[in-house]
Formats: sequence, structure tokens, C-alpha cells
Amino acid sequence: QSVLTQPPSVSGAPGQRVTISCTGSSSNIGAGYDVHWYQQLPGTAPKLLIYANIHRPSGVPDRFSGSKSGASASLDITGLQAEDETDYYCQSYDNSLSSSVFGTGTKVTVL
Amino acid sequence: QVQLQESGPGLVKPSGTLSLTCAVSGDSINSSHWWSWVRQPPGKGLEWIADIYHSGGTYYNPSLKSRVTISVDKSKNQFSLNLSSVTAADTAVYYCARVSYYDSSGWAQYYFDYWGQGTLVTVSS
Repeated sequence: QSVLTQPPSVSGAPGQRVTISCTGSSSNIGAGYDVHWYQQLPGTAPKLLIYANIHRPSGVPDRFSGSKSGASASLDITGLQAEDETDYYCQSYDNSLSSSVFGTGTKVTVL
Repeated sequence: QVQLQESGPGLVKPSGTLSLTCAVSGDSINSSHWWSWVRQPPGKGLEWIADIYHSGGTYYNPSLKSRVTISVDKSKNQFSLNLSSVTAADTAVYYCARVSYYDSSGWAQYYFDYWGQGTLVTVSS
């Protein structure tokens, strides 16, 4: 019962742009807590993709970008590639739960 | 390069205690980072379990707090997780991770920057 809601799936053709939303509330993203994004390839551990809403760790392609507005955040993937077909999770903190929380997860499909 | 490696039994009996250890290399457990456990039931999403600092400071997921103990062994550069009274619902891949903290917008913020490969723990008789 995650407090951060993501669409179960998004899809796009190679080269296109897809956007994954992460919707929270006034006790997490809306309260001012930052959002971080992870990419999880099948059978592997999550990998940090975006931290502090907009920042990319070294080695992450600039095709990946993040944003935050109000109680929601978004992950954009531009120039979609076959290797981007996998699961993505957002993460933040919820002060009513006193807990770090993850989004429900989104599977990206490259058509 | 920071590396984390989980170890422990892959099978635990119902009502028993799940015990895992995370060995850290490429960083000191005494650094300014916190250290964490996260789990993922098969085919499901991620759930944060607990965090620990080298000084012994801890944070627990309130939904698991009554059953969880996290500890650190500075001499071995590792930290551990104990989860008691396990049921089938505790079957999951358990990950250890390094936590990076910072301050922003008046809040302490954090994210998981390095992860172990994960270890599947099955609760079954």
C-alpha cells in the first residue's frame, strides 16, 4: 500500500519520449521531501538514476531527467532505447509514516 | 568502488528469525553515510526496512519495528539485520544499501546510492 503512486506501465517507440509520474501527498513530496528515481533491470538490484529531483549520478545518460512540482514528480526518458525497457521506482520520505517510501513501480516497454 | 554483499540463509522456517549480514568494501562503515536494508517480495515493489549509523543510531519502518533489529560491526566493516517471527509474507529478496543524507527545504533528505546484489530469503517449513 505505497503512498507514492506510479502508472503500472508506459510505452513508446524507439527514439520517442516517455514520462513516468510519481504522485504523492502533503505528507511526503508535497511537504518538501525530494524525490529520487531508480532503474531496476530484471533480476538485478535497483540502480540510482536521479537524486534530489533533478540530479544524475555520474555515468547516467542525459536522456534521463527528473522534475518535481507540488506533490508530484516525473521522470522523463528521451530518445528511448531498447535497453530502457525495464522497471522504474520513485522514492521519497513520508513524515506521517516516519518512513522512507517507494513508488508502486512502472514498467517501461519499448515498442 | 563501493560494493555491498549480502549473506545469510536462503530458507527460514515460519516463526523463526531471519538473519542477514551485509559486508561493505570500498568504503568504511565509519564514514558519514548511513546503511540500510530494503526488501522486495517476488514480483512486487520495494519496501524500506531499517537504517543504521556507525554510532549505533537507528531508524525502523514502523510497520516492522516490533520484529526488526539492525546492528553494526565496525571491526568487520559490516552490518546486520534480524527479523523475528517470520511468516510467508516475509519471503522476499533482501537488499542492503548505502544511504546518502543531505539537507534541503528544511528537511533531512536521503537516497540509496549503492546497493548489494540482493539475496532471496524464502520462509517455508
